[in-house]
Order: sequence, then structure tokens, then C-alpha cells
Amino acid sequence: DAGITQSPRHKVTETGTPVTLRCHQTENHRYMYWYRQDPGHGLRLIHYSYGVKDTDKGEVSDGYSVSRSKTEDFLLTLESATSSQTSVYFCAITRGGTSGTYSYNEQFFGPGTRLTVL
Amino acid sequence: GQSLEQPSEVTAVEGAIVQINCTYQTSGFYGLSWYQQHDGGAPTFLSYNALDGLEETGRFSSFLSRSDSYGYLLLQELQMKDSASYFCAVRDRLDSTLTFGKGTMLLVSP
Repeated sequence: DAGITQSPRHKVTETGTPVTLRCHQTENHRYMYWYRQDPGHGLRLIHYSYGVKDTDKGEVSDGYSVSRSKTEDFLLTLESATSSQTSVYFCAITRGGTSGTYSYNEQFFGPGTRLTVL
Repeated sequence: GQSLEQPSEVTAVEGAIVQINCTYQTSGFYGLSWYQQHDGGAPTFLSYNALDGLEETGRFSSFLSRSDSYGYLLLQELQMKDSASYFCAVRDRLDSTLTFGKGTMLLVSP
């Protein structure tokens, strides 16, 4: 396993409050990602990081910010949570693999954080 | 924009074979992946195709036709534990980001 943990695993908060979710990995992977998953939408990329202090936006980045001050930690912040941000949030890393034909990169996901904004 | 289309639900019986299709429209293409997700769990990687043809991994196989922008996941000898959601995902950029389809829920009945 890639040794990914997410904290908290569950959180209930109120509209307008700030929320920070933490993703921690133990294997020194360069790439880290934050996704949200909602019924009928699959997994949508929020932000990703390709190194310490190097981040970029994904498909649904509005209302979210990220920081990566250490290789092992990738933080997702909702500055002022809204009910539309109620979702399951997954962190992921990229790690390499090989099939009989070629090498590839797979994404390995953390256990998820279930966030409810009331 | 990017789009991936896959059926929302597929049903099958134990021991059968099922195929889950995925068509994509993306600005770039570097490979098609498949992920499995059981209810309440995290997605887990199943397979990857970068070139045309069939990749086999045990009971699961994945196929890609780049000219048709199409791929499928084939599950053989279905078991109850295969009931899950299956996502196709395209690597459409040189970095390792993926764009995911909305998922196909597979229901396996006895």
C-alpha cells in the first residue's frame, strides 16, 4: 500500500466555517491529488500537486485552496464552507507499475473523508 | 471539453460475462484506466491501456481502440464480490492527471 491516510474521516460543519482536510503519505510520492465524489458525477479533480509548493487547479477548484509545505502532506481548505461542498473527498497519489506490455502510472486513493456542511 | 461516457448500470448473474463500455472525447490521450469501487470504499486500480488491443489480468480484461476513442472492461466468471462501481479514466495530459467517467454500477445476482 502507498500508506495514505486522510483526516478527519468524517466531519460535520456549518455553512460559512473554514474547514481543512489533511492527506498524509509515507512513501515520498511526488504527485498528490484531491478529488470530490458526488452521486451522478463520478470523481472530479479539485487540485493537485507535483511537488512541494507546486500546485495546480483541477476541474472544480472554485471555493477550494491547497497547500503542500512538505512532501508527505497535502492540505485541502474550504475557506468558507457551503452546502454544495457536502461530498466525499478522496486524496490520491501516483505510483508506477508495469504490465507485460508497458509501464504506467496508477492512482492510489486514500480512504476518503465524508464532509457534511449544514 | 473532456467527456467520458459509460452506462450508469449493468446487471448480470454469477458466472456470467459482462462488458462495460467507455467512449471518450478528450483533447489529448495517453491512456485509458479502469478503477473499481465498492460501496463506501476507495477506488482501486484495475487496468491500463495505452496501446490498441486487449490487456488481461486474471478474470478481468480491458480493451482499447484509439481510432474509435473506445474501450471496454470485460469481467468473466462473475462473482457476487464483483458488485461494485467501475470507472473508466483517461490520462489526457502529459502530467499524470486523470479525467474520470461517471461510473457504471454493476449488480451481480445469484
